[in-house]
Amino acid sequence: DIQMTQSPSSLSASVGDRVTITCRASQSISNYLCWYQQKPGRAPKLLIYAASTLQGGVPSRFSGSGSGTDFTLTISSLQPEDFATYYCQQSYSTPYTFGQGTKLEIK
Amino acid sequence: EVQMLESGGGLVQPGGSLRLSCAASGFTFSNYAMTWVRQAPGKGLEWVSSISGSGGSTYYADSVKGRFTISRDNSKNTVYLQMNSLRAEDTAVFYCAKELYGDFRDWGQGTLVTVSS
Repeated sequence: DIQMTQSPSSLSASVGDRVTITCRASQSISNYLCWYQQKPGRAPKLLIYAASTLQGGVPSRFSGSGSGTDFTLTISSLQPEDFATYYCQQSYSTPYTFGQGTKLEIK
Repeated sequence: EVQMLESGGGLVQPGGSLRLSCAASGFTFSNYAMTWVRQAPGKGLEWVSSISGSGGSTYYADSVKGRFTISRDNSKNTVYLQMNSLRAEDTAVFYCAKELYGDFRDWGQGTLVTVSS
């Protein structure tokens, strides 16, 4: 199975900050990487697929990059509604696996 | 508008069974694979099972293989998850999702399964 490791596990930041979350795969997954946002009590929401393609309706302050084993999610200027938990997920092969999550909190 | 509505969750004793349903609308159901993802209380996301658009191919996490069965009825735009031999560690919110190339594009609101005596 492909292991996905996110860092950091939690992050405190302020509105307007630029934030980067990292995800590392245990083997090369090309660009088969997605990012999701989840708010408490809500279903996850797809933000980015194919490592860098923004899902429709997602604000352009979100961006993704990387290929192979190392990936990043960047939020260019944090907004109040961005405080949530973020997960990466490899879509390269089953069993599909998620990172453990990064909880983004208000400083 | 794409929508998925899960149902069938509830409280069940260890060793018991439960069938989850997910009714989909707003897209051509048979063109898409469908997936179940679960989330234990306070924990992260875990992929459970996927089924191809035709229903001819199914995939399972090792943690549920042999106990859970995924199926779909394309005439009813519904995907199911039959869960047998349930364990306490199966307690979770179960989400169904519309899948495209392994990406989970749209999600339902989830249904809670609690396995407890």
